[in-house]
Amino acid sequence: AQSVTQPDIHITVSEGASLELRCNYSYGATPYLFWYVQSPGQGLQLLLKYFSGDTLVQGIKGFEAEFKRSQSSFNLRKPSVHWSDAAEYFCAVGYNTDKLIFGTGTRLQVFP
Amino acid sequence: DVKVTQSSRYLVKRTGEKVFLECVQDMDHENMFWYRQDPGLGLRLIYFSYDVKMKEKGDIPEGYSVSREKKERFSLILESASTNQTSMYLCASSLSGGIVYEQYFGPGTRLTVT
Repeated sequence: AQSVTQPDIHITVSEGASLELRCNYSYGATPYLFWYVQSPGQGLQLLLKYFSGDTLVQGIKGFEAEFKRSQSSFNLRKPSVHWSDAAEYFCAVGYNTDKLIFGTGTRLQVFP
Repeated sequence: DVKVTQSSRYLVKRTGEKVFLECVQDMDHENMFWYRQDPGLGLRLIYFSYDVKMKEKGDIPEGYSVSREKKERFSLILESASTNQTSMYLCASSLSGGIVYEQYFGPGTRLTVT
C-alpha cells in the first residue's frame, strides 16, 4: 500500500538553528510531492511542491526540499529557523490520481 | 487569491444530532475533499468529489455522507453524530487533469460532539 512516513513526531530547535524535517514514501513510482504547514487552529498552507525536473525545490518562507529517488525521500530544510516557523508540517504524496496521501505530521517547536 | 471557506470554525453538537459542515471554494476547481484530522493520525480522507453530484469514498467514510449540488460547494453530513466524531474537519479543493495538483485548504471546523 502507498504510504508516507514522517519519522519525527516532534522536533525542537533554537531560533537561528538549521532545520531538516524528514519524509519518506513507500511506492516505487515517481510521485508528486508536497510539503504543507499548519499553524495552530488553521488550515494547511502549501510550502512547496515537486513534480519533475530539478530535484531541489524552493518554496515560500525560505524553505527548500530535495527529492532523492534512491532514498525515496523528500526532506524539508531551512537554514535558519525563526520563532514564527513553529507549526505542524505535513508531507504529502500523489500518484496519478487527484488524491493525496498525507504523513502524520511533525510538530516543530522553536526556542528563543 | 485562492479561497476555501468553511461555514463554522467551532461547532458543538449533541450525540444523535444531524450535522452539516459546509465548504465553498471560489477557484472553479473540479475536485473537492473532506478530511478528518486527529492528533497522531494526520489527515484522513473521508470523501472526495470530482464533479457536481459525483463522489467517491475515502479511507474513513463510515458515519458520513456528502453532497455536491453546485461546483463551488461541498457539504459533509453526519447523519447521527457520535462522540467519536469529535475532531477537526478540513475541506480542500484542487484542479483536475493530467497531473496531481496541489490542494487548497479551508481553515477547518473543530467539531465537538457531547
